Amino acid sequence: GQQVMQIPQYQHVQEGEDFTTYCNSSTTLSNIQWYKQRPGGHPVFLIQLVKSGEVKKQKRLTFQFGEAKKNSSLHITATQTTDVGTYFCAGRSGSEKLVFGKGTKLTVNP
Amino acid sequence: NAGVMQNPRHLVRRRGQEARLRCSPMKGHSHVYWYRQLPEEGLKFMVYLQKENIIDESGMPKERFSAEFPKEGPSILRIQQVVRGDSAAYFCASSPETLYGYTFGSGTRLTVV
Repeated sequence: GQQVMQIPQYQHVQEGEDFTTYCNSSTTLSNIQWYKQRPGGHPVFLIQLVKSGEVKKQKRLTFQFGEAKKNSSLHITATQTTDVGTYFCAGRSGSEKLVFGKGTKLTVNP
Repeated sequence: NAGVMQNPRHLVRRRGQEARLRCSPMKGHSHVYWYRQLPEEGLKFMVYLQKENIIDESGMPKERFSAEFPKEGPSILRIQQVVRGDSAAYFCASSPETLYGYTFGSGTRLTVV
């Protein structure tokens, strides 16, 4: 079945440093979504990417979808303590269910 | 505009009891999904429902687990004869269509003692 791998599992940075998490799928994806879950909270939808090679930005966050539609990345520029949480990618092949990666837990040292 | 409502937030059950988890999707959302999350783990798909229909239950254990989304009322995830391994956070999500982002509820933290 479809698998979504995400690395790294944990990332600790100093405030102001950049952060990147990577997502790889075993199958070609029709779209990929990114979510953020704060400690003790629930996942919150950030963005969806659909087109091959697509790049989207939300303030300090940059999301990319690979040309082959099998990988994606989330890059945060100049991290802040408010960025703390676990970032999940979730991919879908066709109309199948959304499969989540295991997430990257980000901690930021002030 | 209320979000996805889940209750209870916390549920403690003894081994062998039944657990009932409720989820009311966002207004206008007809697609409901249940996910399970263990500590420090990702979200594992359980079931996808629309009103009165189970669309995909490939992530549901074959025994003791069932889900429904009746014509009226919330979606229910039922776990019969709970065991310690069922302890987890259960999240419900909804969307207006299948290809949209999901809105998650705050989850139900189930503890089996």
